[in-house]
Amino acid sequence: EPEVTQTPSHQVTQMGQEVILRCVPISNHLYFYWYRQILGQKVEFLVSFYNNEISEKSEIFDDQFSVERPDGSNFTLKIRSTKLEDSAMYFCASSEALYTEGSTEAFFGQGTRLTVV
Amino acid sequence: EDQVTQSPEALRLQEGESSSLNCSYTVSGLRGLFWYRQDPGKGPEFLFTLYSAGEEKEKERLKATLTKKESFLHITAPKPEDSATYLCAVLVTNFGNEKLTFGTGTRLTIIP
Repeated sequence: EPEVTQTPSHQVTQMGQEVILRCVPISNHLYFYWYRQILGQKVEFLVSFYNNEISEKSEIFDDQFSVERPDGSNFTLKIRSTKLEDSAMYFCASSEALYTEGSTEAFFGQGTRLTVV
Repeated sequence: EDQVTQSPEALRLQEGESSSLNCSYTVSGLRGLFWYRQDPGKGPEFLFTLYSAGEEKEKERLKATLTKKESFLHITAPKPEDSATYLCAVLVTNFGNEKLTFGTGTRLTIIP
């Protein structure tokens, strides 16, 4: 069964350092998403990406964040200067089409646990 | 602002004891309501999508229903392996762009 793969599973970084979280979406999917979940809180939308550009971003996704699809398979989330409050589980998701175009689900990866110390 | 509220926050049931989880929502134009299961340290796993009031979907011991204001996830004769956090999310669209807005989840524990 196809799956979304995220690496690393756990990343510890010093405050102020840059981190790159990596995702390999399902191969024929066109829409890509990042969500995050702070421990004990709800899953929150960060950004959606289609056709090599950001479709929508939340207020959380400020100038410290960026996304990129550097090649045909990877989708990355970069945090330029990490803060303590960036500590969370980050989930990548992909879907074949928009829900309103008939796709029924977004597939989520297993997540990267980011700990900023 | 779109809001999704799930209740209860946590629920402990004996194996075989049926119950329901609630998801109430306030959104400007619901395009779809999703139920996901999340195991500790894992990503959300898709269960159901409901698009219109009155719609019902079933999968094994789970049945999801939708009204104009809320959705229920009914669990019939649960087993310990049904223990997980169940997430509800609403699909919101904005000029053709889509995102899911999640509730905080219900943590379900089934006691053998």
